[in-house]
Amino acid sequence: AQSVSQHNHHVILSEAASLELGCNYSYGGTVNLFWYVQYPGQHLQLLLKYFSGDPLVKGIKGFEAEFIKSKFSFNLRKPSVQWSDTAEYFCAVKTYGNNRLAFGKGNQVVVIP
Amino acid sequence: DGGITQSPKYLFRKEGQNVTLSCEQNLNHDAMYWYRQDPGQGLRLIYYSQIVNDFQKGDIAEGYSVSREKKESFPLTVTSAQKNPTAFYLCASSRTQDVNEQFFGPGTRLTVL
Repeated sequence: AQSVSQHNHHVILSEAASLELGCNYSYGGTVNLFWYVQYPGQHLQLLLKYFSGDPLVKGIKGFEAEFIKSKFSFNLRKPSVQWSDTAEYFCAVKTYGNNRLAFGKGNQVVVIP
Repeated sequence: DGGITQSPKYLFRKEGQNVTLSCEQNLNHDAMYWYRQDPGQGLRLIYYSQIVNDFQKGDIAEGYSVSREKKESFPLTVTSAQKNPTAFYLCASSRTQDVNEQFFGPGTRLTVL
């Protein structure tokens, strides 16, 4: 079965620090990749997605992610975080021919002002 | 205003009672999904439906049941057979079963006493 790994479940950092969240998946075929974010008290919403083309994907709020096929990874980055980036971040993967998303366990990110 | 609604936001039930969680969408999406979110566990798929009158089990379907009689509605019943029903339940939908972006509802927090 498809699995998605996110490490360092709890991340605490100060404003203006850089953020990188790792995402690795276990599937060798074609994948679609997603990062979702859940701000406190809000709906889960899409941050960015990769289907094909440029492996460096830009999302909302200054986030970006890079698909590295050889490493089965789709890491999320932001150069300088703000207090408002405090949220839980989920990586998700859809494999070819499969009509479902597999989610990682999430990263709880707390940004200290 | 298009979106997904889930009701109620908070739900309390006594152990041994069945309870039905509502999910309605007006996005004209074909596919709908139910997830369970537990702390540190990410989102786990309970059931999904690609089209009206059809649905498939996800990874943790035991103790749950669904129906899809209308395109816009996908109610989830948590039965007394579910051993750990207390959780946060999220409903989602997507345009096609080929999984583009999934849109999520606000969730229902179920507490079984």
